[in-house]
Amino acid sequence: AQTVTQSQPEMSVQEAETVTLSCTYDTSESNYYLFWYKQPPSRQMILVIRQEAYKQQNATENRFSVNFQKAAKSFSLKISDSQLGDTAMYFCAFMKFQGAQKLVFGQGTRLTINP
Amino acid sequence: NAGVTQTPKFQVLKTGQSMTLQCAQDMNHEYMSWYRQDPGMGLRLIHYSVGAGITDQGEVPNGYNVSRSTTEDFPLRLLSAAPSQTSVYFCASSYLGRPEAFFGQGTRLTVV
Repeated sequence: AQTVTQSQPEMSVQEAETVTLSCTYDTSESNYYLFWYKQPPSRQMILVIRQEAYKQQNATENRFSVNFQKAAKSFSLKISDSQLGDTAMYFCAFMKFQGAQKLVFGQGTRLTINP
Repeated sequence: NAGVTQTPKFQVLKTGQSMTLQCAQDMNHEYMSWYRQDPGMGLRLIHYSVGAGITDQGEVPNGYNVSRSTTEDFPLRLLSAAPSQTSVYFCASSYLGRPEAFFGQGTRLTVV
């Protein structure tokens, strides 16, 4: 079975700073997807970024980038130039490459961006 | 194109009552699933379906039933609500073989 661990329950930074959210996972699969989801106070689940395990290049989406270390089973999210709208709960998630598309989520990190 | 629609958005139940959480998608997705979100535990899979007439259990299926009679709808039934089922419930859908999941807006359920 796969597990996903987010060891930082809460984080807080000042606006415009850079912040890194940590995620580790455990799996015996060789091919899989990793995701970061954002959940603002509206409760909507928003996909921030996706990484395919077979790709060595780290995914980036504007101010969001990941540091994917496959051997270490680590998948951290870096938010650059943080904005007040980045305040949200962030979830790391795992999905096997084939078979039922079940998402396995971490516990979540509550991120607060302070003005 | 409404995406994934969940109803209701909020619900309060008394212990022992039954109810159905509705989930509908208009994207012709084969795969649909239900998750529950609890503080400190992230989202956990309750049940999922890979197509009409096919359902299977996830990580936390006890106390919940599902059926999939059409591609569009995937209701979640609580037969006898318990306080431990107080949670936020999310429905999600996607095309088989594609990783992009679309989530509904969630249902906050309180069982008193």
